[in-house]
Amino acid sequence: KNEVEQSPQNLTAQEGEFITINCSYSVGISALHWLQQHPGGGIVSLFMLSSGKKKHGRLIATINIQEKHSSLHITASHPRDSAVYICAVTGGSNYKLTFGKGTLLTVNP
Amino acid sequence: DGGITQSPKYLFRKEGQNVTLSCEQNLNHDAMYWYRQDPGQGLRLIYYSQIVNDFQKGDIAEGYSVSREKKESFPLTVTSAQKNPTAFYLCASSSDRGPNQPQHFGDGTRLSIL
Repeated sequence: KNEVEQSPQNLTAQEGEFITINCSYSVGISALHWLQQHPGGGIVSLFMLSSGKKKHGRLIATINIQEKHSSLHITASHPRDSAVYICAVTGGSNYKLTFGKGTLLTVNP
Repeated sequence: DGGITQSPKYLFRKEGQNVTLSCEQNLNHDAMYWYRQDPGQGLRLIYYSQIVNDFQKGDIAEGYSVSREKKESFPLTVTSAQKNPTAFYLCASSSDRGPNQPQHFGDGTRLSIL
């Protein structure tokens, strides 16, 4: 079974700072997902990637398959980025997601 | 707008009662999922369905039941056999039965025991 570890668990930043959230997994995967959960509880899918790098607005996700590691970066952070960021992986033909415990990000104005 | 609708947002259950959580999607997705979220833990899969009239147990299916009579609907029943039902429940769907598809989530139902 894949183990998914995220760091840090909690992160507080000032508006405008560059943010990095890390995710490591123990077994080879076919895809890695980054999700955002707002205080109300709803979850939004940010990225799904299996190699390289993806960018959407101020968000950048990278993955290193050899090192079994992914990072989510937020440039020019804003208070509205405050949320829980969750990493999840799928492996091979098994499309079930295995989730990390999440990183709580708070961006102060 | 297409999306996933979960209802109710908050639900209270008395001891010994079964309760049913609703999940409806209008995304024309084949696959649907139910997850449970507890404080300090990652989401855990309860049940999933790849196609109408078919579903499989996830990692924590005991005390839960589901049905998939229509493509759009995947209700979850929390039975009295589930001894610790207080949690946040999330429904999701994806466009294909295969792996590596982004999942679309509802806004969740928070279940509490009276």
